[in-house]
Amino acid sequence: DIQMTQSPSSLSASIGDRVTISCRASQSISSYLNWYQQKPGKAPKVLIYAASSLQSGVPSRFSGSGSGTDFTLTISSLQPEDFANYYCQQTYSTPITFGQGTRLEI
Amino acid sequence: QEQLAQSGAEVKEPGASVKVSCTASGYTFASYFMHWVRQAPGQGLEWMGIINPRGGRTTYAQKFQGRVTMTRDTSTSTVYMELSSLRSEDTAVYYCARADSRGLENWFDPWGQGTLVTVSS
Repeated sequence: DIQMTQSPSSLSASIGDRVTISCRASQSISSYLNWYQQKPGKAPKVLIYAASSLQSGVPSRFSGSGSGTDFTLTISSLQPEDFANYYCQQTYSTPITFGQGTRLEI
Repeated sequence: QEQLAQSGAEVKEPGASVKVSCTASGYTFASYFMHWVRQAPGQGLEWMGIINPRGGRTTYAQKFQGRVTMTRDTSTSTVYMELSSLRSEDTAVYYCARADSRGLENWFDPWGQGTLVTVSS
């Protein structure tokens, strides 16, 4: 199985900050990497697919980069509604696996 | 609007089975694979398996092999996930999520609202 490791596990930030979350795969996954946002009591929502493609309707302050084993999710200027949990996911091979999550809090 | 609507919360005793439904609307049901993902309280996301609604073919995560069965009913655009021999560790929110794709790359969108399954005696 491909292991996905996110860092940090939690992050404190302020409105307007630039934030970066990292995700590392245990082997190369090309660009088969997605990012999700999850708020308490809600289902996850896709933000970025294929490592760097912005899902329709997602604000442009979200961006993704990377390929192979190292990936990054960047939020350019934090807004109040961005405080949530974030997960990376690899779809290179089954079993599909997720990172352990990053909790973004004030 | 593409939506997935799941069945309601369940409480089951250890050793029992649970069957969760997921009804699709707003798109052609048979054209998209469907995944199941679960999330234990306060924990991360765990992939359980995938079903092809067109032919019913399934692939399960090894962890759930022998305990999970995914089926579909094309007449009602519904997929089902049945988990047997329940134990307390199966207490979780269970989600269905459609497989969206571009070429070989794929992601999960949309997701159902989740179904809480509680296993308790």
